[in-house]
Amino acid sequence: QSVLTQPPSASGTPGQRVTISCSGSSSNIGSNYAYWYQQLPGTAPKLLIYRNNQRPSGVPDRFSGSKSGTSASLAISGLRSEDEADYYCTAWDDSLSGWVFGGGTKLTVL
Amino acid sequence: EVQLLESGGGLVQPGGSLRLSCAASGFTFSSYAMTWVRQAPGKGLEWVSTISGSGGSIYKADSAKGRFTISRDNSKNTLYLQMSSLKADDTAVYYCAKDLTDYVDSAPDYWGQGTLVTVSS
Repeated sequence: QSVLTQPPSASGTPGQRVTISCSGSSSNIGSNYAYWYQQLPGTAPKLLIYRNNQRPSGVPDRFSGSKSGTSASLAISGLRSEDEADYYCTAWDDSLSGWVFGGGTKLTVL
Repeated sequence: EVQLLESGGGLVQPGGSLRLSCAASGFTFSSYAMTWVRQAPGKGLEWVSTISGSGGSIYKADSAKGRFTISRDNSKNTLYLQMSSLKADDTAVYYCAKDLTDYVDSAPDYWGQGTLVTVSS
């Protein structure tokens, strides 16, 4: 059971906008930054969003992040087939003094 | 270009020990915290341990306390994870990752390709 809660799956058709949620608590997302990773099959995770809504250089602006209270969200607009991957949220947890991850969301592009 | 190359994975018997290494290049190693994250087959990501740039601050997941030790050699640009009393549940791909900064609440931005640890008799 992950500390952060994500839906196990999401889907959309090419060109659509999809949103993936990440629910936490006051000790993690509520008081610290949220981060998002994309993991393509058989590869290492790649940082997509840092500090709630910042994109590293090279990440398309189709990817955006937001945070409200104890929840964070990742939005992907203009969905493309290459976006099919697993997506993970993470945040530092002050109570655990460590990083906590969501269980991951498998995104399928129909 | 940031590069992280893990090594040391393999097959080990339950109760055994293993030391993972991560050779880093392309950045000032001592200026960044470093993290180990693992992923069991078909499962999600699990944080293992983080060490500050100087090595003076260390954080561990409960699953690692008492069994795993993170360390670094800044003169060799290398991160380590010493694992002992290994259990079947420790079977996973272990990723070495560079953190965004040297601050504790700064998540990894670059990841190695991972090294597989299999605990089995």
